[in-house]
Amino acid sequence: DAMVIQNPRYQVTQFGKPVTLSCSQTLNHNVMYWYQQKSSQAPKLLFHYYDKDFNNEADTPDNFQSRRPNTSFCFLDIRSPGLGDTAMYLCATSLHRGATGELFFGEGSRLTVL
Amino acid sequence: AQKITQTQPGMFVQEKEAVTLDCTYDTSDQSYGLFWYKQPSSGEMIFLIYQGSYDEQNATEGRYSLNFQKARKSANLVISASQLGDSAMYFCAMVNQFYFGTGTSLTVIP
Repeated sequence: DAMVIQNPRYQVTQFGKPVTLSCSQTLNHNVMYWYQQKSSQAPKLLFHYYDKDFNNEADTPDNFQSRRPNTSFCFLDIRSPGLGDTAMYLCATSLHRGATGELFFGEGSRLTVL
Repeated sequence: AQKITQTQPGMFVQEKEAVTLDCTYDTSDQSYGLFWYKQPSSGEMIFLIYQGSYDEQNATEGRYSLNFQKARKSANLVISASQLGDSAMYFCAMVNQFYFGTGTSLTVIP
C-alpha cells in the first residue's frame, strides 16, 4: 500500500496560473519535505516541515509556498508558475529529522508550465 | 558546507556483472547518515541502502552493498549480479542535511 501519495501525478498549467500539488502520508511521520527535480538534475530541497515548524531553504523562490494543515497532509503552492518551474516535484517524509531519518518518497508530481 | 559528489554521470555494465558507483561527501558533522536511492525513468525514488557514520560494518541489502570508507569520506554503492531492471539513475544522499548528489545513470547491457 502506498504510504506517501502525491496528487496529481501529472499537471499541465499555463504560465502564471497558480497550481497546487498535494501530498498525503499514512506513516504518521513528523517531517515532510518538498523537493524540486528538473530534468537530469538532482532533487533540490525547497522546504520542509518538522511537525508545524516550517523551514524554508534560503534559495527557494518566494513564488513557492507550502501549507501543512495537519500531520497527514502537505501542499505545495506555486503562485505564478514560470516556464522554469517545469519539473518533477517530490514529496518525502521521515519519522525524525537527522542522521537516521530515511526519506520515504511519493511517486512525484510532474508539472509542465506552458 | 555539506556536499555530495558523484563523479560518474553515466556507467555501463554487462548483465550479471558487478558495478561500483562512486560517492564522496564532505561534512563537519560527527553523526550523519548516507543513503543511496534508485530512480527509474518513471520518477519515483526507491530507497536502497543506508550507512550510519558510527556503523562499524558496511551495510548490505541483498545485491546492494556499501563500501564505506569514513577516513576517505566515501560511500560507494556496489551492485552485484546486475540485472536489466537495475538500469536507472542512482543518487547518493546525506539526508541529515537533505543533500543529494548529481546522480549516476546506470545502463545494464544484455
